[in-house]
Amino acid sequence: DIQMTQSPSSLSASVGDRVTITCQASQDISTYLNWYQQKPGKAPKLLIYDASNFETGVPSRFSGSGSGTDFTFTISSLQPEDIATYYCQQYDDLPFFGQGTRLEIK
Amino acid sequence: QVQLQESGPGLVKPSQTLSLTCTVSGGSITTGTYYWSWIRQPAGKGLEWIGRIYTSGSTNYNPSLKSRVTISIDTSKNQFSLILSSVTAADTAVYYCARERRVEWLRFFDYWGQGTLVTVSS
Repeated sequence: DIQMTQSPSSLSASVGDRVTITCQASQDISTYLNWYQQKPGKAPKLLIYDASNFETGVPSRFSGSGSGTDFTFTISSLQPEDIATYYCQQYDDLPFFGQGTRLEIK
Repeated sequence: QVQLQESGPGLVKPSQTLSLTCTVSGGSITTGTYYWSWIRQPAGKGLEWIGRIYTSGSTNYNPSLKSRVTISIDTSKNQFSLILSSVTAADTAVYYCARERRVEWLRFFDYWGQGTLVTVSS
């Protein structure tokens, strides 16, 4: 199985900050990686697919990059409504998720 | 607009069988190229993919759960179901059903149910 290592597990930042989350795969997965946002009590929501493509309606402050084994998710200017837990998910083989990054406002 | 809705008992006794159904509305479960998945999330923890089924009936399961999981589909009712046998407290979680869309090489979960909490307790 392909293992996904996501970091950090939690992050505290101020409104307007640039926030970066990383996800590392245990083997090359090309660009077969998605990013989701999950707010408390809600189902996850797709933000980025295929490492860097925006889902329809996703604000442009969210972005993704990377290929192979190393991937990055960035919020260019943190907004209060971005408080959530973010997950990466690979689909090179069976779909597995990273451990998640809990984002809080400082 | 596609909607998914989980249903089933919220309380299951240890060693018994958990059974959930996901009803899909707003579109046929047989239309398009989709996998239909179950995903769970213990309280305060991350997402764990359980398994999926295609409209043909072919299935894939998480190796860590494979011996206890069965996913089936009923196209006449626009539903798919999860059976998890020999449950323990570790199976207590919110269970989500989700649609995994396939577009060429792309795959992503684009629609999710609201989730249903299943507690394993005597």
